[in-house]
Amino acid sequence: DSGVTQTPKHLITATGQRVTLRCSPRSGDLSVYWYQQSLDQGLQFLIQYYNGEERAKGNILERFSAQQFPDLHSELNLSSLELGDSALYFCASSYSPTSGEYEQYFGPGTRLTVT
Amino acid sequence: GESVGLHLPTLSVQEGDNSIINCAYSNSASDYFIWYKQESGKGPQFIIDIRSNMDKRQGQRVTVLLNKTVKHLSLQIAATQPGDSAVYFCAETFNAGNMLTFGGGTRLMVKP
Repeated sequence: DSGVTQTPKHLITATGQRVTLRCSPRSGDLSVYWYQQSLDQGLQFLIQYYNGEERAKGNILERFSAQQFPDLHSELNLSSLELGDSALYFCASSYSPTSGEYEQYFGPGTRLTVT
Repeated sequence: GESVGLHLPTLSVQEGDNSIINCAYSNSASDYFIWYKQESGKGPQFIIDIRSNMDKRQGQRVTVLLNKTVKHLSLQIAATQPGDSAVYFCAETFNAGNMLTFGGGTRLMVKP
C-alpha cells in the first residue's frame, strides 16, 4: 500500500458526460501528479500541483482540469467525455518536507470507461 | 484485467534465474531515474531510483545500472521469483520532484 488513495476505483459513464476523480496524497506529501495510462499511449503525465498551486502541465486536454485543495487532496475533472478518454487515471504524490524525499508513489488508479 | 498495452516486449525467465530489464531513456538532461513495477490492476510501485551522479545502486535483490554515455538504464533482479511477474517501467526526470517521463514498459514472466 503506497499510502495514496484514489476514488472511485471504477467509473462507467457515457460520452458527453463529466466526471470527477479524487486523490488523497500520502501524509505529509505536498506534490500531487496526475497521469493517464491508455493501451496505445502508455503512462503520460497530465498535470502537477504543489501545495495548492499548479506546478507543471503535460499533454492535458482543455476538457480536463484539476485542482488541489488546502487539505492537499486533489481532484481531476474530465468533461465532454469521448470514447478515447477511456483509460486508467493515476494519481501520485511526492515530496515530504520532513523527510526531503522526492520519490513519487502512485495510487491504485481509477479505471474510466466511456461508452 | 490488464492495465497496460498488449504488445509490450516480454522477458521470460525461469524461477531462480537472474533477470535484466533494459531501458533507453530519451533526455540527456535527465538526472533522476526510477524503476517501477506494475502488477495487473494496480498502480505503479516504486522499486528503486538512481541519480545521475551514480552509475550503480543496489537494493534488496535489485540493482539499477545507469550508463549516461549511451542513455541506458537497466534493472537487474536476482533470484527471480513468481511474485516478480509484472510490467516494469523506467521513468526519467530532470530534478527530482518534477513530472516523470515513462518508457514503454517490459513484461516479465517468471516460469516456475
